[in-house]
Amino acid sequence: KAGVTQTPRYLIKTRGQQVTLSCSPISGHRSVSWYQQTPGQGLQFLFEYFSETQRNKGNFPGRFSGRQFSNSRSEMNVSTLELGDSALYLCASSLGASGVGETQYFGPGTRLLVL
Amino acid sequence: GQNIDQPTEMTATEGAIVQINCTYQTSGFNGLFWYQQHAGEAPTFLSYNVLDGLEEKGRFSSFLSRSKGYSYLLLKELQMKDSASYLCAFMDSNYQLIWGAGTKLIIKP
Repeated sequence: KAGVTQTPRYLIKTRGQQVTLSCSPISGHRSVSWYQQTPGQGLQFLFEYFSETQRNKGNFPGRFSGRQFSNSRSEMNVSTLELGDSALYLCASSLGASGVGETQYFGPGTRLLVL
Repeated sequence: GQNIDQPTEMTATEGAIVQINCTYQTSGFNGLFWYQQHAGEAPTFLSYNVLDGLEEKGRFSSFLSRSKGYSYLLLKELQMKDSASYLCAFMDSNYQLIWGAGTKLIIKP
């Protein structure tokens, strides 16, 4: 079974631009979560989507948004990019919505550099 | 409030045993996860504990004490390929994962 895929793998943008990242979950998985990872910090939770609905949202500004499609693929958008948005963006899929014992499987991430 | 803490870096010798500790504070708890992340790669799932005690999986074991807010990951017979970051995360009352910053494990020959 194919794992979680993310595109693009690398991205360079300039301040003020916007960016869209894509995540395709493992076949049959209906939940997708997004995280931001920066050196020295733990994974910071952005949001979780399940069955096209946002279930949970982390403490990020409104510039960060996402959506999920009927085939469970998910996109994340960041508008008006700032230098501090440079990070590795990871998505993780799970069979069901986040809950006791629900394991998340991660994609390789998209490394975003904002200049 | 909630927080989670693990050592930043540890060094161990090939063939030895190493224990990576993780402590957490939270009012709601729905289990603790350990993941391994090699440099430049995705985190991969190692273990999940929701009840107190030790779970063994080959060379890796994970322990949980809910009353102490404490977990550890035990790696035996260390191999060079075990050089990686080890991430612990607990699931809070909203079923959201709260992550530690990760422990970078360096294995020396």
